[in-house]
Amino acid sequence: DAMVIQNPRYQVTQFGKPVTLSCSQTLNHNVMYWYQQKSSQAPKLLFHYYDKDFNNEADTPDNFQSRRPNTSFCFLDIRSPGLGDAAMYLCATSTRRSFGGEQFFGPGTRLTVL
Amino acid sequence: TQLLEQSPQFLSIQEGENLTVYCNSSSVFSSLQWYRQEPGEGPVLLVTVVTGGEVKKLKRLTFQFGDARKDSSLHITAAQPGDTGLYLCAGALGNTPLVFGKGTRLSVIA
Repeated sequence: DAMVIQNPRYQVTQFGKPVTLSCSQTLNHNVMYWYQQKSSQAPKLLFHYYDKDFNNEADTPDNFQSRRPNTSFCFLDIRSPGLGDAAMYLCATSTRRSFGGEQFFGPGTRLTVL
Repeated sequence: TQLLEQSPQFLSIQEGENLTVYCNSSSVFSSLQWYRQEPGEGPVLLVTVVTGGEVKKLKRLTFQFGDARKDSSLHITAAQPGDTGLYLCAGALGNTPLVFGKGTRLSVIA
């Protein structure tokens, strides 16, 4: 089945130790998103790729970076995680035709910062 | 300022009861989606509504898009414990990423 896959599902890191989260998709969608979701809150968009065109949300901290080496893969790098970065990180995709429309989410990576 | 307001924020009901949750905005959306998110998982799309006044049914769930495309409601008939989750509405505004509401957390008690 076509899907959005995130690895790992659970990630534990130490304060200030860089961490990378990965996302892959078999849907062949042009657009990929990274969201941060804290407990009982809506997903907060960090950035998105429209093909290779990178779009950073204005309030995304500089601590967060992203790479999209090809259509299928996208990475979220947190350079120096703080305690406030502990959250669920969701990857999502959408098609070019419905950009801003329906999104297909992965299961998320729950990040714990010690 | 939250572009999409969802209410109520929390809802706890007994199995078999009916409920309605709301998603409101002062903006006009080209389409609106409803997602359900279970604990520890990503949101899953339930429905997309596009036309003002549109009503869509998904088993015991009824979705309505307001005539002016500024608001939407989700009605669940005879709620079951499996309906428990976070219900998120998300609106599309032109050529920009979806705007999400803060969600309604529903708990259905057996």
